[in-house]
Amino acid sequence: GDSVTQMEGPVTLSEEACLTINCTYTATGYPSLFWYVQYPGEGLQLLLKATKADDKGSNKGFEATYRKETTSFHLEKGSVQVSDSAVYFCALSPSNTGNQFYFGTGTSLTVIP
Amino acid sequence: NAGVMQNPRHLVRRRGQEARLRCSPMKGHSHVYWYRQLPEEGLKFMVYLQKENIIDESGMPKERFSAEFPKEGPSILRIQQVVRGDSAAYFCASSPTGEAEQYFGPGTRLTVT
Repeated sequence: GDSVTQMEGPVTLSEEACLTINCTYTATGYPSLFWYVQYPGEGLQLLLKATKADDKGSNKGFEATYRKETTSFHLEKGSVQVSDSAVYFCALSPSNTGNQFYFGTGTSLTVIP
Repeated sequence: NAGVMQNPRHLVRRRGQEARLRCSPMKGHSHVYWYRQLPEEGLKFMVYLQKENIIDESGMPKERFSAEFPKEGPSILRIQQVVRGDSAAYFCASSPTGEAEQYFGPGTRLTVT
C-alpha cells in the first residue's frame, strides 16, 4: 500500500545552518507530494507541494524536488531561522481521486539562536 | 475567506462519556476529511465525507466512532463511550474537490480522564 517514510527526529540546528529532512515514499501510479508544517498548538499548514516527477516545490526558502527514480521528496533550506522551529510532515496523495493523505510520522525541528 | 474551523479546540471527557467534534469546511469546499494524531505520531486517516455521504471510512474504528456531514451545518465526528486511548488531536481537512490539496483546521485536542 501507499506509505511515507520520514527521517526521525528531533533535529536541533543553530540559526543559519542548512537543513535537510529526508522523505521517501511508496505508491502506485503518480502521487502528489506535500510538505506540511505544524507550529506548537496549531494545525497543519501547507508548506509546499509537487504534483509530478521533477517538479520542485518552494516556499519561504524551503525547497523539495519530486524524484521518481529515488521515490524521494527531501525538504531543504539553506539557512534556517528560529521561527522555523516546528514539526514537519511529509505527505502523499495517491493519483486516484478523492483520497486520504498518507503522512509521515513528522520531524521536530528546533533552531537555536 | 475563513479557513477550516473546528470546535471545541480542547475537550475533556471522562471515560464512558460521548465526545462530539465539529468541523466547518472552508467556503466552497464540499469534501471533508478527518484525521487523528496520537502523541508523537503522524496523522492517520479516519474518514472522508462529502455532503450527506460517507465516501471512505476505512480508517475509522469499527465501534464507537461515527461521522456525518449533513446537507446543512458542520461535519461531526462522534465518539461514544470514550476510553483513555481516544485521547488525541483530531484534525479536520477540507478540499474543493477530491483531487485538490487539503486545508487543515486547528484541531480538537481530546483528553479522556
